[in-house]
Amino acid sequence: DGGITQSPKYLFRKEGQNVTLSCEQNLNHDAMYWYRQDPGQGLRLIYYSQIVNDFQKGDIAEGYSVSREKKESFPLTVTSAQKNPTAFYLCASSIGTVSRETQYFGPGTRLLVL
Amino acid sequence: GNSVTQMEGPVTLSEEAFLTINCTYTATGYPSLFWYVQYPGEGLQLLLKATKADDKGSNKGFEATYRKETTSFHLEKGSVQVSDSAVYFCALWEAAGNKLTFGGGTRVLVKP
Repeated sequence: DGGITQSPKYLFRKEGQNVTLSCEQNLNHDAMYWYRQDPGQGLRLIYYSQIVNDFQKGDIAEGYSVSREKKESFPLTVTSAQKNPTAFYLCASSIGTVSRETQYFGPGTRLLVL
Repeated sequence: GNSVTQMEGPVTLSEEAFLTINCTYTATGYPSLFWYVQYPGEGLQLLLKATKADDKGSNKGFEATYRKETTSFHLEKGSVQVSDSAVYFCALWEAAGNKLTFGGGTRVLVKP
């Protein structure tokens, strides 16, 4: 079945530690996205990538980094510079970035700080 | 910039009741509009969408009509079930911003 997988489901970070969240899709989509969801709030865009080896900052990119070395993979690193990383992180993909195309979401990773 | 405003929840209903979740938006141009649903502990699933004025999106008994004159995209369902308990997000996509802008979400709880 085609879809988006995210791992791990839960991730714990210690102070000063960088952690990486995995996102893989087998939908052959060009575009991929990372969103952050805080309790009771909507989603905010962290980074997006329209094509391999290219990515753009979203609204809240500070303290995060990404790479897009392969079409199917878009890992997100939460660096120690992100002072409030506890949140639910959602990865999404779409065929491209044309306005009428639907974004498909993965199941999410919940990040907690120890 | 673009923005989406949804009614705050939680909305608590009995089974078979009528559900309406209001959504209004602010955007330049002609955005595409979406409703996504999030079940507990899961990611978002597309529920329905509309890409131009007067379009009606529908899926699983849910409907929403793109009203440009009132900049609204209200979600409705005639008879809800317990399985409809979830958080519902209204969102818009506009090419100028090159991203989805989400409302804050509305939690719906349907009681048997």
